[in-house]
Amino acid sequence: DTGVSQNPRHKITKRGQNVTFRCDPISEHNRLYWYRQTLGQGPEFLTYFQNEAQLEKSRLLSDRFSAERPKGSFSTLEIQRTEQGDSAMYLCASTLGHVPRDEQYFGPGTRLTVT
Amino acid sequence: QQQVKQSPQSLIVQKGGIPIINCAYENTAFDYFPWYQQFPGKGPALLIAIRPDVSEKKEGRFTISFNKSAKQFSLHIMDSQPGDSATYFCAASKGDTGFQKLVFGTGTRLLVSP
Repeated sequence: DTGVSQNPRHKITKRGQNVTFRCDPISEHNRLYWYRQTLGQGPEFLTYFQNEAQLEKSRLLSDRFSAERPKGSFSTLEIQRTEQGDSAMYLCASTLGHVPRDEQYFGPGTRLTVT
Repeated sequence: QQQVKQSPQSLIVQKGGIPIINCAYENTAFDYFPWYQQFPGKGPALLIAIRPDVSEKKEGRFTISFNKSAKQFSLHIMDSQPGDSATYFCAASKGDTGFQKLVFGTGTRLLVSP
């Protein structure tokens, strides 16, 4: 399968713990997005990378959240001191980036449950 | 702050029917309007997209109608099938710089009965 992959698919953690998610974009895609989707809502933009540079961050991304994309390949999203309000599906998407408006390919997401 | 409003929240049609999902936007700077389909446990997948210089676009059984003056667009699914049962999201973005922050609607859960 050469699509966007995300790990883990599910994560249950206790409030206050740190969690880290990984996204592997489609090979050679240089643009990578993170979104958050809560139950019954559409995805909400969190942050954007072009290669290894983080170029845009939503105000939803509090200081407890950090994202990296070392070497412009896979990306990680870390949440420190998790809160129950962080429970959501975290989606990653990538695009080739050679032309504007190219399709964002989404991964299956990581579902986080904070107890 | 909801920039894209979507309705209805859920929809049930019989096989062969034509479900219609509507979206309205506020930001006139939006210039790209995609529709995504999401099955349970999967990420959203692009179905069809339109730019405001056309009023209609068809791809297979899916049609987008776009009304720029009303700031509304809709998705029509012709000859709907049970396999079309999924959640559908409209979205919008702006700018030609390549960075596309998609703003999504709240989704419509479609059920196509056999």
